[in-house]
Amino acid sequence: IAGITQAPTSQILAAGRRMTLRCTQDMRHNAMYWYRQDLGLGLRLIHYSNTAGTTGKGEVPDGYSVSRANTDDFPLTLASAVPSQTSVYFCASSEIPGTGGSGELFFGEGSRLTVL
Amino acid sequence: GQNIDQPTEMTATEGAIVQINCTYQTSGFNGLFWYQQHAGEAPTFLSYNVLDGLEEKGRFSSFLSRSKGYSYLLLKELQMKDSASYLCAVRDSNYQLIWGAGTKLIIKP
Repeated sequence: IAGITQAPTSQILAAGRRMTLRCTQDMRHNAMYWYRQDLGLGLRLIHYSNTAGTTGKGEVPDGYSVSRANTDDFPLTLASAVPSQTSVYFCASSEIPGTGGSGELFFGEGSRLTVL
Repeated sequence: GQNIDQPTEMTATEGAIVQINCTYQTSGFNGLFWYQQHAGEAPTFLSYNVLDGLEEKGRFSSFLSRSKGYSYLLLKELQMKDSASYLCAVRDSNYQLIWGAGTKLIIKP
């Protein structure tokens, strides 16, 4: 079944630990995104990538890094986790906006992260 | 700054009609999206408006007025499964999506 797979679905980790959230898509979309979703706030963009080999910073990039070695994979790394990074993280992909069609985002099921 | 406003919560009755409003102030406009998100799940795409007017998809319709910076999502013949959050998002001049905080819709029997 085509779509986006995120792992892990849930994780509890101690502050200061390094953590990588994995994201893989099989729709051959060029654009991929990482969002965090917190209660009462809209989805906030952390990092994005419009094509393999390039990445860009979103609204809340501090404390996070990403890489895009190929079209399918877009991992998000927390180098040294802090409690304020407790959130639900969503990976998404789309066709490149402005290249035709709506460019709607397709989301993974989310990764619930708790930093203690 | 860029801003999307939508009501925090709405309540409606099964079988009725509900309208969820969204107003926006963004740097440019390249389309408006509505997504549905059930509790504990991922957002799923509902509709896309880039021109003024009404787009209808079964029980759901979405309206856009670019001059007023306004959209609404209309849900007809409400079902219990429509209980969810509805997210409004606008694509700005840089093709970045600006998201509202979402409207939690509660359906009562």
